[in-house]
Amino acid sequence: EAQVTQNPRYLITVTGKKLTVTCSQNMNHEYMSWYRQDPGLGLRQIYYSMNVEVTDKGDVPEGYKVSRKEKRNFPLILESPSPNQTSLYFCASNRPQAYFGEGSWLTVV
Amino acid sequence: RKEVEQDPGPFNVPEGATVAFNCTYSNSASQSFFWYRQDCRKEPKLLMSVYSSGNEDGRFTAQLNRASQYISLLIRDSKLSDSATYLCVVPSSNQAGTALIFGKGTTLSVSS
Repeated sequence: EAQVTQNPRYLITVTGKKLTVTCSQNMNHEYMSWYRQDPGLGLRQIYYSMNVEVTDKGDVPEGYKVSRKEKRNFPLILESPSPNQTSLYFCASNRPQAYFGEGSWLTVV
Repeated sequence: RKEVEQDPGPFNVPEGATVAFNCTYSNSASQSFFWYRQDCRKEPKLLMSVYSSGNEDGRFTAQLNRASQYISLLIRDSKLSDSATYLCVVPSSNQAGTALIFGKGTTLSVSS
């Protein structure tokens, strides 16, 4: 079954405490991306990756990092989370339609 | 013109109604288009792909007008379960490969 798995699904953390949201896909897709979704703003792309070791900024990359060491994994890293990063995050894998993970609710207090 | 633009709604319709959503896009070179459905704060899921002039799947019909650069989604005989946000999706003009741009969505509420 085609799947995109992201963890954790729910997280409350404190300002400045580094965290990583993992994302894994089993479809051998080259293109993967991270989005955040906030009320009234729709899905906004944070970072994307066109293949292993190839990543680039999306529309709202500030405060985030990513890595792509293997094709299946594309973790999102918040080095020093701040309250304005409280959001619903989705990982997606494309070919060409996007398959989404179930989402990660992140709250930064 | 924005890359993808949708009427946000909400569209409030009774069961059994026919409702249509429009979406305009700016990338005239786009070849493939998609409609996604998103239930409240869940992941978007593919509803329909549109590769040529249109596509039909049961009560859902998607049409593409390349000359005017818009896509429409028609839902016939609306059900309560159709209540959701519908996202129009087109390829990005700024990224190579399979990057997609998502509209902000049109909200549909079907009532009994």
